[in-house]
Amino acid sequence: DTGVSQDPRHKITKRGQNVTFRCDPISEHNRLYWYRQTLGQGPEFLTYFQNEAQLEKSRLLSDRFSAERPKGSFSTLEIQRTEQGDSAMYLCASSVMDSVNNEQFFGPGTRLTVL
Amino acid sequence: SQQGEEDPQALSIQEGENATMNCSYKTSINNLQWYRQNSGRGLVHLILIRSNEREKHSGRLRVTLDTSKKSSSLLITASRAADTASYFCATVSMNTGFQKLVFGTGTRLLVSP
Repeated sequence: DTGVSQDPRHKITKRGQNVTFRCDPISEHNRLYWYRQTLGQGPEFLTYFQNEAQLEKSRLLSDRFSAERPKGSFSTLEIQRTEQGDSAMYLCASSVMDSVNNEQFFGPGTRLTVL
Repeated sequence: SQQGEEDPQALSIQEGENATMNCSYKTSINNLQWYRQNSGRGLVHLILIRSNEREKHSGRLRVTLDTSKKSSSLLITASRAADTASYFCATVSMNTGFQKLVFGTGTRLLVSP
């Protein structure tokens, strides 16, 4: 399967714990995006990378959130000191560098539940 | 924040009927895309329409775009039970540097056999 993959698919954690999610994009895609989706809402942009450079961060991304893409391939999203409000689906997407169309391919998401 | 709203929030139809969903957005756009999301899963890209296009077709999908009204519609013809999903419009805008998709709130479609 050459699509976007995310791991884990589900994560249940206690408030205050740290969690880390991984995203593997489509191999030839140099752009990678993280979105967060809460129940009944559309996804909201968190951050994006072009190769290994993090070029934009949403104000939704508090200091407790950090994302990396060290070698320009897979990416990790870490949430420190989780809060119940962090419960959501975290979606990763990738695209080729096309400054006009920007069709993005999404992974299956990681569903986070903070107890 | 969401770009805009979709209407209706939920739609229930019988197999074989057509389903129409509307999307309104707030800012000037470069293109508008429609995505489908099956329950609890990732999004699947359906169709993209550029700001200089007014109508586009792909299989049973028909998308229209009215930039003067900042609105778009998605028509699914001859619906099937497998079309049951949430449908989201998403915009790409120069205002956001072309880099991110700004999604609407979605329409939940239920197609009954």
